[in-house]
Amino acid sequence: QVHLVESGGGVVQPGRSLRLSCAASGFNFSTYPMHWVRQAPGKGLEWVAIISYDATNYHYADSVKGRFTISRDNSKNTLYLQMNSLTIEDTALYYCARNDPSDFWGQGALVTVSS
Amino acid sequence: QSVLTQSPSVSGAPGQRVTISCTGSSSNIGAGYGVHWYQQLPGTAPKLLIYSFTNRPSGVPDRFSGSKSGTSASLAITGLQAEDEADYYCQSYDSSLNGWVFGGGTKVTVL
Repeated sequence: QVHLVESGGGVVQPGRSLRLSCAASGFNFSTYPMHWVRQAPGKGLEWVAIISYDATNYHYADSVKGRFTISRDNSKNTLYLQMNSLTIEDTALYYCARNDPSDFWGQGALVTVSS
Repeated sequence: QSVLTQSPSVSGAPGQRVTISCTGSSSNIGAGYGVHWYQQLPGTAPKLLIYSFTNRPSGVPDRFSGSKSGTSASLAITGLQAEDEADYYCQSYDSSLNGWVFGGGTKVTVL
């Protein structure tokens, strides 16, 4: 059974950093591309980043380019999102999602950027 | 302003048919990139409903169907049920942005 569990969310001040993790189980993690998608409170879905199955390719939304870094450790079945220089606009529920199109999603990790 | 445009809301009585449109451009849908549809029930994570315009993953009822026309895609729900009340999002790839994009979402209300 496929499981994706995000962790690492919390409350952080503007300008600070946070790293999200997404622990995968129930499937061969190393063979799937993975996305991060976020949803601000009461708003729609916003794609954040994607990484290829072998971590050789990645793409970012313009809104996070240069501040966020997506990575993965296939030996640990874990996806990461390093978020630097956070702003209030980054406040959102962050989902990790498997594959393209995304056939399985985690339940999300809440990131609140507030002074 | 989303790259993919969806109407904010649509409603219908139980048993009726409703359609949700997703309008793109020549850099996404018009360029041949596939459109996928997700259903997000209140308080839950999105669920893949339709992929590559018309395909249903295993377990998705055939009441849900997708189509494409030019630079637009549509999701139809026939035999509307109370459990279909949710937000629906379209998604595609955009070559100008070099990234994936979502529509703004459509809230379906069952009257």
